[in-house]
Amino acid sequence: AQRVTQPEKLLSVFKGAPVELKCNYSYSGSPELFWYVQYSRQRLQLLLRHISRESIKGFTADLNKGETSFHLKKPFAQEEDSAMYYCALSNQAGTALIFGKGTTLSVSS
Amino acid sequence: DTAVSQTPKYLVTQMGNDKSIKCEQNLGHDTMYWYKQDSKKFLKIMFSYNNKELIINETVPNRFSPKSPDKAHLNLHINSLELGDSAVYFCASSPLPPYQAGRNEQFFGPGTRLTVL
Repeated sequence: AQRVTQPEKLLSVFKGAPVELKCNYSYSGSPELFWYVQYSRQRLQLLLRHISRESIKGFTADLNKGETSFHLKKPFAQEEDSAMYYCALSNQAGTALIFGKGTTLSVSS
Repeated sequence: DTAVSQTPKYLVTQMGNDKSIKCEQNLGHDTMYWYKQDSKKFLKIMFSYNNKELIINETVPNRFSPKSPDKAHLNLHINSLELGDSAVYFCASSPLPPYQAGRNEQFFGPGTRLTVL
């Protein structure tokens, strides 16, 4: 079964601290994974995807097939990073995204 | 602006009513989706349409009926609204098919917050 697990519902850190939002997936084929972010009362927007191997707003995520993980990391959190973060997996047909339950990141000064 | 737009942004209605939410995308995408975000912020696919044809229908009550008049529009009609239908509904689009790795990025609308009283 295809599944995305985000074990933390809420992650609270201080400004300048490192951040790691965990994501594990269950998938039988070659996964395509994404991180989406939703700032307060805004639309969901793509943050990054594993295939691009990019860094956006200081965030990176590496696909670890051995651990079936795609954790999101940032070395120094900023207050403006406070948002809901969703890890998502594209289904086998590429016709839908399967989302994790989301992790709320709260960065305080 | 090139984007995915939804109307209305807010919808408050009584139980038992019928309502529609409209979605339009001007990105030239082939596929459109409806997602439901519940009170716990859990986001789940409801429907997926490709070139006006239904390709995914997740276990959604048949009170929900999507309609796609053309590939730029996907509307959601809900009959006999229930309290449990209260949620934020997001429309999205993506440039599928043909499916290619790296192309399955989805672009989301701003959401419609439905409150059923």
